[in-house]
Amino acid sequence: GAVVSQHPSWVICKSGTSVKIECRSLDFQATTMFWYRQFPKQSLMLMATSNEGSKATYEQGVEKDKFLINHASLTLSTLTVTSAHPEDSSFYICSANRAFPGGGDTGELFFGEGSRLTVL
Amino acid sequence: KQEVTQIPAALSVPEGENLVLNCSFTDSAIYNLQWFRQDPGKGLTSLLLIQSSQREQTSGRLNASLDKSSGRSTLYIAASQPGDSATYLCAGISGGYNKLIFGAGTRLAVHP
Repeated sequence: GAVVSQHPSWVICKSGTSVKIECRSLDFQATTMFWYRQFPKQSLMLMATSNEGSKATYEQGVEKDKFLINHASLTLSTLTVTSAHPEDSSFYICSANRAFPGGGDTGELFFGEGSRLTVL
Repeated sequence: KQEVTQIPAALSVPEGENLVLNCSFTDSAIYNLQWFRQDPGKGLTSLLLIQSSQREQTSGRLNASLDKSSGRSTLYIAASQPGDSATYLCAGISGGYNKLIFGAGTRLAVHP
């Protein structure tokens, strides 16, 4: 099956620092990736849609200058939490939409294992 | 705006019971529906995907159905086992970019 890897799986940082989380599709290409955050005992909330080679599309209420998304290749998207604060502490999960060999999304979504961010 | 409701929010049952988890969408115009399992502190494992041309999917002891006219889906778990204990999330796909909108989940505990 298709594998999506997230790194790091957990990170602790000081308030005011920036943290980068990577999402890689290991054995398939993905023109579209999604970033979600999840608070304890709550569901996943879509933050943004990451498109290879273009700007990300952010959901309403998500600060694009706070959560920087870069999708530089067909197998890698990164989420950078800038100037992190304790309220940014959460579980961040990415998913990748597997692409057809000739391009276009198949609609098959695969999820990473998540990255737990704790901001002190 | 699409919203997803899952009922019940939590469920505790003895081993061996057959279970029904429910999911409903405010906008019934979804074209794909997916059920996931999430263990504590972990990512999501896809269980079943019902695509636009389908009404149900089965995998082992799991069966999921989708009624597009009402925007409701049901996940049926037969002969539950302690290893089934997890949170079950349903998600509908809408929009051109296959954006998944998630429900809050049903936390299932199956005790021996």
